[in-house]
Amino acid sequence: EPEVTQTPSHQVTQMGQEVILRCVPISNHLYFYWYRQILGQKVEFLVSFYNNEISEKSEIFDDQFSVERPDGSNFTLKIRSTKLEDSAMYFCASTLDRGDTEAFFGQGTRLTVV
Amino acid sequence: AQTVTQSQPEMSVQEAETVTLSCTYDTSESDYYLFWYKQPPSRQMILVIRQEAYKQQNATENRFSVNFQKAAKSFSLKISDSQLGDAAMYFCAYRSFNTNAGKSTFGDGTTLTVKP
Repeated sequence: EPEVTQTPSHQVTQMGQEVILRCVPISNHLYFYWYRQILGQKVEFLVSFYNNEISEKSEIFDDQFSVERPDGSNFTLKIRSTKLEDSAMYFCASTLDRGDTEAFFGQGTRLTVV
Repeated sequence: AQTVTQSQPEMSVQEAETVTLSCTYDTSESDYYLFWYKQPPSRQMILVIRQEAYKQQNATENRFSVNFQKAAKSFSLKISDSQLGDAAMYFCAYRSFNTNAGKSTFGDGTTLTVKP
């Protein structure tokens, strides 16, 4: 069964460092998303991406964040200068079409900023 | 903006018994989707069940069923014959019919403990 895969599963980084989280969406999917879940809190939408551009973003997704699809398979989330409060679980998701019923989630990357 | 409320931070159930998790939401829209996701200790988000708002019939998936009350904006999840593997955090989520498929609003979650 096709699945969304994320790497790494856990990343530890020092405050102020740049970090890139990677996702490989399902191969024929066209819409991509990032979510964040701070430990013990709800899952929050960050950004959606289609046709090589951001289609929607939340208030959380400030200038510290960026996304791109550098090649035909990867979808990345970059945090330029990490802060302690960026420590969270980050989920990637994808859909074939904008109107699909639901998205397929990856297994998440746990980011720890020290 | 839509909001999703899960009023039970924690619930517990005896193995083989039935438990119901509550979810209410607020929206002015008439067309939307509702979901229950399971998040086990591995932290992966697993879709349990979904409900289209235009369908009157409550969705069922094996031991999982929902009680969808559109007028009351209520969407509860019933787990029958609870198993140890059902222990997880459960999130209720709302997605507007007109937004991107991947953009959902999640509740705060309910941690379910299953006692042997």
